[in-house]
Amino acid sequence: AQSVTQLGSHVSVSEGALVLLRCNYSSSVPPYLFWYVQYPNQGLQLLLKYTTGATLVKGINGFEAEFKKSETSFHLTKPSAHMSDAAEYFCASSEAYSGGGADGLTFGKGTHLIIQP
Amino acid sequence: EAGVTQFPSHSVIEKGQTVTLRCDPISGHDNLYWYRRVMGKEIKFLLHFVKESKQDESGMPNNRFLAERTGGTYSTLKVQPAELEDSGVYFCASSQDAGSYEQYFGPGTRLTVT
Repeated sequence: AQSVTQLGSHVSVSEGALVLLRCNYSSSVPPYLFWYVQYPNQGLQLLLKYTTGATLVKGINGFEAEFKKSETSFHLTKPSAHMSDAAEYFCASSEAYSGGGADGLTFGKGTHLIIQP
Repeated sequence: EAGVTQFPSHSVIEKGQTVTLRCDPISGHDNLYWYRRVMGKEIKFLLHFVKESKQDESGMPNNRFLAERTGGTYSTLKVQPAELEDSGVYFCASSQDAGSYEQYFGPGTRLTVT
């Protein structure tokens, strides 16, 4: 069974500082990995995804994440935080199903990113 | 292109009543997923349709929940009878076809059972 662990329910950084949100996964097969963001009163928006190939993936709004199989990690980073980055971030994984696409997502508990002015 | 839409955005019902949630996926998307987030918990997978067929319903909590997908287009999730613990936000997502891994989420339906 898959599981996703996000360290820290709340992370606070200063505007302009590095953002690091941690995610570790557990899967019996190579997983597909995702980061989603949810702004207040909105649905989940895909930030970036890893399926195969390059382990460093770039997403929208300057975010990137690196798949490290040896550490079973997929941490999300952004060099310089902006006030507009304040939101809840979710790490998720899925596995392929027999039809070739992706099965349902397994989510971490989410991390609220707080940006201090 | 219209995104995933869900109706209603909010629903408040009493314990024992029935509620039906609707999801309209992105046009042409074969895969449709339902998820739920209970207050303070993680988002949990409920079930996955491929066109009109249920690919995986392992996440459905119990037989009070019934999901359908008419003609492989929109989907409904009915809760009958509703219990207090069914309160939460119900999300729907869709993805295009086999080989697609990106799921596009709707804004969710907030269900409150009193």
